[in-house]
Amino acid sequence: GEDVEQSLFLSVREGDSSVINCTYTDSSSTYLYWYKQEPGAGLQLLTYIFSNMDMKQDQRLTVLLNKKDKHLSLRIADTQTGDSAIYFCAPDTGKLIFGQGTTLQVKP
Amino acid sequence: DTAVSQTPKYLVTQMGNDKSIKCEQNLGHDTMYWYKQDSKKFLKIMFSYNNKELIINETVPNRFSPKSPDKAHLNLHINSLELGDSAVYFCASSQERTGTNTEAFFGQGTRLTVV
Repeated sequence: GEDVEQSLFLSVREGDSSVINCTYTDSSSTYLYWYKQEPGAGLQLLTYIFSNMDMKQDQRLTVLLNKKDKHLSLRIADTQTGDSAIYFCAPDTGKLIFGQGTTLQVKP
Repeated sequence: DTAVSQTPKYLVTQMGNDKSIKCEQNLGHDTMYWYKQDSKKFLKIMFSYNNKELIINETVPNRFSPKSPDKAHLNLHINSLELGDSAVYFCASSQERTGTNTEAFFGQGTRLTVV
């Protein structure tokens, strides 16, 4: 079945870059998403990448996709305290499967 | 206007009770979901309905019964609540469109505490 794995925790200083990694097992995904969950709230779509792309840039966000290794990453440039949240990757295989998410802590 | 709304936001109840969580979306989406987020933040899909029809039913105890009276509503009824049911339950909706991505919209969550 589908499986998504992410590291649980990442701590960075304000202004640094953050890189959140994700590995998944189901290669049939057409789209792969990054969702953000702020404290006490539901998830919101942050960005996504189409499976025939290997990179997508969206302002401070860069998504890298390695389909061969089933590896997805999210880079946040110039990380701000407002970026502190839990980040979930979600391959879309017809149903959105999430894992445990990565908690990003940004220190001032 | 809230796109996906859940009620109640908080629910504290005793073991053995039966409770319901309601979800409504005003986005006109065809698909609705229930997810359970445990204390370690793991987000697990429970059910998915498309146009009132159950399409995903993950390994969930049959004490959990979703009900979709119409495509804008997906309620979750839980019988004989157990301590392990304590979690945050999220409702979500999406609309599949050919040739483009499917964004899911989430409610604010219902924090269920079973004592």
